[in-house]
Amino acid sequence: DAKTTQPPSMDCAEGRAANLPCNHSTISGNEYVYWYRQIHSQGPQYIIHGLKNNETNEMASLIITEDRKSSTLILPHATLRDTAVYYCIVRAVRAGNNRKLIWGLGTSLAVNP
Amino acid sequence: NAGVTQTPKFRVLKTGQSMTLLCAQDMNHEYMYWYRQDPGMGLRLIHYSVGEGTTAKGEVPDGYNVSRLKKQNFLLGLESAAPSQTSVYFCATSKLAGGRGTGELFFGEGSRLTVL
Repeated sequence: DAKTTQPPSMDCAEGRAANLPCNHSTISGNEYVYWYRQIHSQGPQYIIHGLKNNETNEMASLIITEDRKSSTLILPHATLRDTAVYYCIVRAVRAGNNRKLIWGLGTSLAVNP
Repeated sequence: NAGVTQTPKFRVLKTGQSMTLLCAQDMNHEYMYWYRQDPGMGLRLIHYSVGEGTTAKGEVPDGYNVSRLKKQNFLLGLESAAPSQTSVYFCATSKLAGGRGTGELFFGEGSRLTVL
C-alpha cells in the first residue's frame, strides 16, 4: 500500500471549516483513500473513504484531485470536539488488506475557541 | 451493542510476568487485529486473524502470542513481559472488504500497559 504525507499540525477556529491535506503521490489505481481520527487517547475512528469521486457523509467531505495524488478532508464547521489527530491512509480493496496499512503520525488538529 | 471491548484498560506488570489482553466484539466481523501505539510512532500491527481458529503475524509480533478460539474473541498474550512492551494496545475489527472499498476498521478504547 502507498504511503501518505500529512502536515504534523494545524489550527482552526471554532465554527470555521477545517481543511486537512494529504499527499499520496504513489497511489495505485485500485487503492482507496481512507481517513480516520483519534481523539485524545481513544481508539481511532473511521471518518470517510473514497476512490476518485468526492464523497460526503454526516461527519466530513473528502475531495480527491483528478490525478488522485492528493486529497483534502473537510470538516465544514469545526467544533472543539473535532480536536484530534487525523490519519490519511490508502489501502487496496482486497479482503484482508487492513493488515498492510501504514499508519503515519497524522495531522494533529487543534480547534480553538 | 458494545462494539469492540478491551479488558483490562490499565495494567502494570513487572518484568517477566505474563498477562493476557482480551478483545471482544459483537459485530460479527471476520477480521480482528491487535495494534500497539507508542509515542512518536504510528500504529503498528502485532498480530491479526482472518477468522475463527486462524491467526497470523503482523509487523511486530515478537514477544506476543494470540489466539482466536471463538469468532467474537481475540486474545493477546505476553508470556514474559519486558519494559519495551510498555505501550497502548488497540484491538480492531473489520468485515470482509467489498467492491466499494468497505472493510473499515472499528477500534476498541485501548489498553494501557506499563512494564516495570
